[in-house]
Order: sequence, then structure tokens, then C-alpha cells
Amino acid sequence: DAGVIQSPRHEVTEMGQEVTLRCKPISGHNSLFWYRQTMMRGLELLIYFNNNVPIDDSGMPEDRFSAKMPNASFSTLKIQPSEPRDSAVYFCASSLRLAESDTQYFGPGTRLTVL
Amino acid sequence: SQKIEQNSEALNIQEGKTATLTCNYTNYSPAYLQWYRQDPGRGPVFLLLIRENEKEKRKERLKVTFDTTLKQSLFHITASQPADSATYLCALDRGYGNKLVFGAGTILRVKS
Repeated sequence: DAGVIQSPRHEVTEMGQEVTLRCKPISGHNSLFWYRQTMMRGLELLIYFNNNVPIDDSGMPEDRFSAKMPNASFSTLKIQPSEPRDSAVYFCASSLRLAESDTQYFGPGTRLTVL
Repeated sequence: SQKIEQNSEALNIQEGKTATLTCNYTNYSPAYLQWYRQDPGRGPVFLLLIRENEKEKRKERLKVTFDTTLKQSLFHITASQPADSATYLCALDRGYGNKLVFGAGTILRVKS
């Protein structure tokens, strides 16, 4: 199994530009999560989907952030316009939602730097 | 609001010793508690899950305890090795589709 795949692994952009991060979850998983990690705030959940439907987007910092999951094998997180404070590592994770607890499988992350 | 606290400072121990990491929480009633390991430049990797009605869980050299009265979980690595050096994150889970809430993590350094 290839695990969760994220692209790009690194992204450097200038303030005001649009940034699109991509994620391919593990095949067969029905839940997908987008996290952001910084030294100051740790690992924060931005949004999660269940069966391609957004369930909780309360962690999305503001309207500049949007996420989509058009099908079970692909999701995007878009930032438009980007700002320097968006610089962080963005992780995608997927899980097979059971009746009990979710064990989440994380991708390698995208390191975003906004200049 | 809910709060999760892990050892704020790095834990430095000698190879062969037992490492003990702490996860304390307030204003939360998790049904489960999970521990993850994160290496530099990589995503967290699941290690262990313990349920609220379990006092202790073991997996090879790892042991987790969960005290819902103290609102605390302890994570032990016995016979520690330099390869155990990483950041360890605890995550609270109410279960049944609720989102995980992660602690900030504790850096463990095992010196040979």
C-alpha cells in the first residue's frame, strides 16, 4: 500500500498567490482530514470529510481557505490569497471510520512557505 | 475550553532506560486516547490506542496507562534505544466520528 500521498512536498510562493495542496487517501478509507502544524500551535485540524462530504470545517482559519473532495480518492486544500502567516506544514490523513475510534494515517506533509 | 498538556521540555534519557511521557487533559471526556510518533519531516504514525475502561495497554516495548480520574495518560518505552528518538503526540478521542484533538507533543532523545 502506498499510504497517503500528498503533493507537492514543498511549496514556496509569494504573498497574494493562490496555493493548492493535493491529497490522495488510502484506498478504501472513507474519512479524510486536513491538518496544519506549526511550532506555536502544534497540530490543528482544519477540516474533515466523511464519504466525500465535509463534516466539520470549524478549524478553517478564514474564507481564504477552502477544501474539496470531489471523489473518494482525491482532495484539495486551497489558499487564496496566501499570506506569510499561512506558512506551515500541512498534513492530510485518512482513516477507515469504524464505530469506535479512528486510527488516522498521515501523509508526508506539504511544507508551505509564503514570502 | 479543552486543554491537553504534554511534557513541554524535551526528555533526554540514556539508552536502556525506561522513558515515561505524560499526557494530561482538562475539560474533556475522551472515550479513547491514542499515541502517535512523529519523526522530523514526516507525518505522525499511530502507535497505540487505549479505551477509557482499560487501565493499561502493551505492545512490545511500549506501555500506555489511562487514568480517567486523574485525567492522565502515561506512555512508557522500556529498554529505550536511540532509534526511539522522536516526538510523541497524544490525541484525545470521544469516538464515534468525533475528531481527534492532539497535544503539542514531547520530544524524546535517547543517547547511546
